[in-house]
Amino acid sequence: DGGITQSPKYLFRKEGQNVTLSCEQNLNHDAMYWYRQDPGQGLRLIYYSQIVNDFQKGDIAEGYSVSREKKESFPLTVTSAQKNPTAFYLCASSDTPNYGYTFGSGTRLTVV
Amino acid sequence: GENVEQHPSTLSVQEGDSAVIKCTYSDSASNYFPWYKQELGKRPQLIIDIRSNVGEKKDQRIAVTLNKTAKHFSLHITETQPEDSAVYFCAASDYGGATNKLIFGTGTLLAVQP
Repeated sequence: DGGITQSPKYLFRKEGQNVTLSCEQNLNHDAMYWYRQDPGQGLRLIYYSQIVNDFQKGDIAEGYSVSREKKESFPLTVTSAQKNPTAFYLCASSDTPNYGYTFGSGTRLTVV
Repeated sequence: GENVEQHPSTLSVQEGDSAVIKCTYSDSASNYFPWYKQELGKRPQLIIDIRSNVGEKKDQRIAVTLNKTAKHFSLHITETQPEDSAVYFCAASDYGGATNKLIFGTGTLLAVQP
């Protein structure tokens, strides 16, 4: 399914809980990214990683954390510090020389 | 940092007409400009891209033009069909520069009326 898999597809979080969104790719891509999508606001960058064991904050990193212990995996944790986490989360990867991103199918997170 | 503005936010056309979506960027170091199509509830998919050493690129009914001086680029879809209905995102990056991250526009909802 495009080589990049996000799970779960739907996730419900209670107030005060941390939740982790999974992103796995088998494309052998070095770079991976997390975007948040809200209606009318396009795609906003949360975190990105150009190489294993290294990652950088994007434009809206507050309340989120990531790790990159393996090349194929880039999980995103939405912490209780994120006050408005309800959104559609997209993971992407890129093989740097080829420029373009490949996106996962997304996780829709809802706070209940 | 880079900022990408996209217009219009919504666009409705009759089947068979052309559609044009425009984007402007702020960082003169940007050199890569992809366009993504996102159907409802699905992942964005790359439909065409252009590099800064090229002024225009075509792929069947889709074309992208780039004006580096004015810092704007546009997506042109000819002979639109109902299956072209989707949200389209432009993006820009300074590939090969300090970072390889895409900055996206806010999207254009294209509705093709049959």
